[in-house]
Amino acid sequence: QKEVEQNSGPLSVPEGAIASLNCTYSDRGSQSFFWYRQYSGKSPELIMSIYSNGDKEDGRFTAQLNKASQYVSLLIRDSQPSDSATYLCAVWGSGAGSYQLTFGKGTKLSVIP
Amino acid sequence: KAGVTQTPRYLIKTRGQQVTLSCSPISGHRSVSWYQQTPGQGLQFLFEYFSETQRNKGNFPGRFSGRQFSNSRSEMNVSTLELGDSALYLCASSLAWGQGTYEQYFGPGTRLTVT
Repeated sequence: QKEVEQNSGPLSVPEGAIASLNCTYSDRGSQSFFWYRQYSGKSPELIMSIYSNGDKEDGRFTAQLNKASQYVSLLIRDSQPSDSATYLCAVWGSGAGSYQLTFGKGTKLSVIP
Repeated sequence: KAGVTQTPRYLIKTRGQQVTLSCSPISGHRSVSWYQQTPGQGLQFLFEYFSETQRNKGNFPGRFSGRQFSNSRSEMNVSTLELGDSALYLCASSLAWGQGTYEQYFGPGTRLTVT
């Protein structure tokens, strides 16, 4: 059974601070990793993808992957109130013969003005 | 480029009925995946279609089925609805299938309520 674990939060950070979101996964054979943002009442929106160990930066977002530790994180610099949402970690790999995207239950981020 | 579209956006059904949901992927995308999202279980994978064939399937009962048409549009059917089927059903499209490097983009979802 593949598992993707995230702290449910809520994670509260002041405006302008760095928000750090973490995710661990159980399937060592996982190949691809994604972060989605989901506003309340809306569908998930892809914000980052990362496939190899190390850091990947896109604007205020940095994804970090450590396959040896089975750990992936998302850093949001200069957090804004508009970043307040639930962040979903998703891991792509195979399990029981089925390739699929497995999601964590999400971390709710609240950015305080 | 238009995004993923899903119809209808909201549905109310009675236990025992069946329902069909529709998804049109982003133009040029050939893979469609379906997910169920509930507050308790989060986002769970139902199945994935590519070239009109189901390529992967999650751990859901046979009451949940789907199909894909030659234009990549997909439908999902749930028969003999149960109260526990109340959820947000999300469709996601990607360029192709078989490699995790193909990013998935979600539609707005269909909110199904079973009474």
